[in-house]
Amino acid sequence: SYVLTQPPSVSVAPGQTARITCGGNNIGSKSVHWYQQKPGQAPVLVVYDDSDRPSGIPERFSGSNSGNTATLTISRVEAGDEADYFCQVWDSSSDHVIFGGGTKLTVL
Amino acid sequence: EVQLVESGGGLVQPGGSLTLSCAASGITFNTYWMLWVRQGPGKGLEWVSLIKSDGSSTSYADSVKGRFTISRDNGKNTLYLQMKSLTAEDTAVYLCAARGYPDDYWGQGTLVTVSS
Repeated sequence: SYVLTQPPSVSVAPGQTARITCGGNNIGSKSVHWYQQKPGQAPVLVVYDDSDRPSGIPERFSGSNSGNTATLTISRVEAGDEADYFCQVWDSSSDHVIFGGGTKLTVL
Repeated sequence: EVQLVESGGGLVQPGGSLTLSCAASGITFNTYWMLWVRQGPGKGLEWVSLIKSDGSSTSYADSVKGRFTISRDNGKNTLYLQMKSLTAEDTAVYLCAARGYPDDYWGQGTLVTVSS
C-alpha cells in the first residue's frame, strides 16, 4: 500500500520559515492536502490540491509537490502555528485515503 | 454554520460491537463524500473508511475491512459506522469528515475505548 513519510518534528524560530516534507513514491502525480491539528481540536485544512489555500488560511501557508516530495511551507512563523501537520493523498489504485505520520512543528 | 456531531462512542469489551453516528447540518449532505478517521491516544490520523456522496461506493482501511461497515442516510443527513469484533487496537477518537475540496469539515470526535 502507498506510504507517506513525514519527519516527526520540525523546529523553527518565530519569524523564520518552516518547511515540512511529505515523501511518497511519485507523489508529484497525486494531489496532496495538508492539515493542521492543535491539541484537543479537529484537523483544519490549510492547503489542498498541492498548493491551493482554503478561504481564511493566511498566505503564509503554501505548498508544492514534485517528484517524490511534497512540501508545506510556513513563512514568518508565529507561535500560533505550533501544531501537528499531516499530509494526505488519495490512492486511486486502492481507493484508499492515506495520511502521513504527522510532523510536530515547534516554535522556539 | 456547519456542524458534524459524532455520537455512540463508549467503553466496549474486546470482541464487542458498537455503532457510531455522525449528524450533519449546515451542508448539502448528499453532495459530500464522508469519511471516518480515527486517532489513537497520542497518535496520528488514521483513515478508517469512506463512502461516496450517493452511497454507491465504499472503501475501508485494511485494518478494519471485514469488521467495520460504513453507511449513510442522506434523508437524515447522517453517517454511520458499524463496528464489530473490536480489539484494543481500535481504541481511539473517531472523527467524521465531509470532503468536498475546498470544503472540508470535521466533527470533534467520539471516544471508543475497547477494554475488559
